[in-house]
Amino acid sequence: GENVEQHPSTLSVQEGDSAVIKCTYSDSASNYFPWYKQELGKRPQLIIDIRSNVGEKKDQRIAVTLNKTAKHFSLHITETQPEDSAVYFCAASRTGNQFYFGTGTSLTVIP
Amino acid sequence: GAVVSQHPSWVICKSGTSVKIECRSLDFQATTMFWYRQFPKQSLMLMATSNEGSKATYEQGVEKDKFLINHASLTLSTLTVTSAHPEDSSFYICSARNFWDRRGNEKLFFGSGTQLSVL
Repeated sequence: GENVEQHPSTLSVQEGDSAVIKCTYSDSASNYFPWYKQELGKRPQLIIDIRSNVGEKKDQRIAVTLNKTAKHFSLHITETQPEDSAVYFCAASRTGNQFYFGTGTSLTVIP
Repeated sequence: GAVVSQHPSWVICKSGTSVKIECRSLDFQATTMFWYRQFPKQSLMLMATSNEGSKATYEQGVEKDKFLINHASLTLSTLTVTSAHPEDSSFYICSARNFWDRRGNEKLFFGSGTQLSVL
């Protein structure tokens, strides 16, 4: 099966700085890579996703990059704000199969 | 995005009782739903895959007789924790797969979770 690794497990940045979270996956057949943000006691919210036919996707301050050859993908948050503080999960999936999640990154944005 | 509703949001029960958690897809049909368990500050642990009209597929180590899953319709899956014990206390969360476009691309949306406390 698929194995998704996520780093770092914790990340602290100053407000306004950028944050980068990286994930690797093992199954070359995986073709869909979503990122979720989870605040304490709340549901994971889909914030951005990328499919294997695309190398980069951006949505305002959030971007995701995918390197299929190296089997890794990254989440980039620019101009971080305190409300970005949360746990972020990456995931990998291939159509019709289950989703495999990373272990999560706890991001703290220091005002 | 698609909406997944989960109830109850929290429940406290006595040891030995059973608890049922409902997961509904409100604006789409979900042939597949997933049930997860999440411990504090940890990732989502997949318990089982719930398939409409057929038996659920359980992950290794998950007791199917203890965690009963029923997916009787395209919009509802239920998880029943039978004879609950304190070690079953956890945050349980469901998700549903929604086919997003005509090409068959799919996205996964989560319910709001249920915090179960067994006394």
